[in-house]
Amino acid sequence: SQTIHQWPATLVQPVGSPLSLECTVEGTSNPNLYWYRQAAGRGLQLLFYSIGIDQISSEVPQNLSASRPQDRQFILSSKKLLLSDSGFYLCAWKPGGEASPLHFGNGTRLTVT
Amino acid sequence: DQQVKQNSPSLSVQEGRISILNCDYTNSMFDYFLWYKKYPAEGPTFLISISSIKDKNEDGRFTVFLNKSAKHLSLHIVPSQPGDSAVYFCAASVGWDMRFGAGTRLTVKP
Repeated sequence: SQTIHQWPATLVQPVGSPLSLECTVEGTSNPNLYWYRQAAGRGLQLLFYSIGIDQISSEVPQNLSASRPQDRQFILSSKKLLLSDSGFYLCAWKPGGEASPLHFGNGTRLTVT
Repeated sequence: DQQVKQNSPSLSVQEGRISILNCDYTNSMFDYFLWYKKYPAEGPTFLISISSIKDKNEDGRFTVFLNKSAKHLSLHIVPSQPGDSAVYFCAASVGWDMRFGAGTRLTVKP
């Protein structure tokens, strides 16, 4: 069966520090991968999606970036965090080419201080 | 850019009654619609979906209705149980693109 792992679960970082959140999927190949963010009291905002290795599209211009160095690995990064980057970050996957549900990881609670 | 809207931030119902959660979308290209349930500090969990070629899909106590002409979908939970208390997100999708509403917090009172 397929599983998704996302870490760390919580993170407190000072303004201006770098960020790296990692997500891996097991039990499938060539998945579509996503990063969403849920800000306090708000819905799920799509940040990045990827349909293959090194194929990444950004939905929202900001100081975050994403990379997909391997088929089932998706990394969210920042060189310098802002206070507004605080939120709940969710990684998700779905089979490529199908109308099917997204499957989410357990999320990372990021607090920028 | 809110392509998917949930206009009710909260809903409170009595145990045993029906819960009806509503969702509207603007992009007529969406062809696959979903509902997710989310608890605090966890990722959303898939509940039920419907393709644009259907207008109703049932799974146990959960039924999703789709009105394409009105660009509206709803989730009915019958009967509602206290364990259903959570935030519910609707989503609309075409291809790789999946957009979510802001969520509705459902509280089911015993």
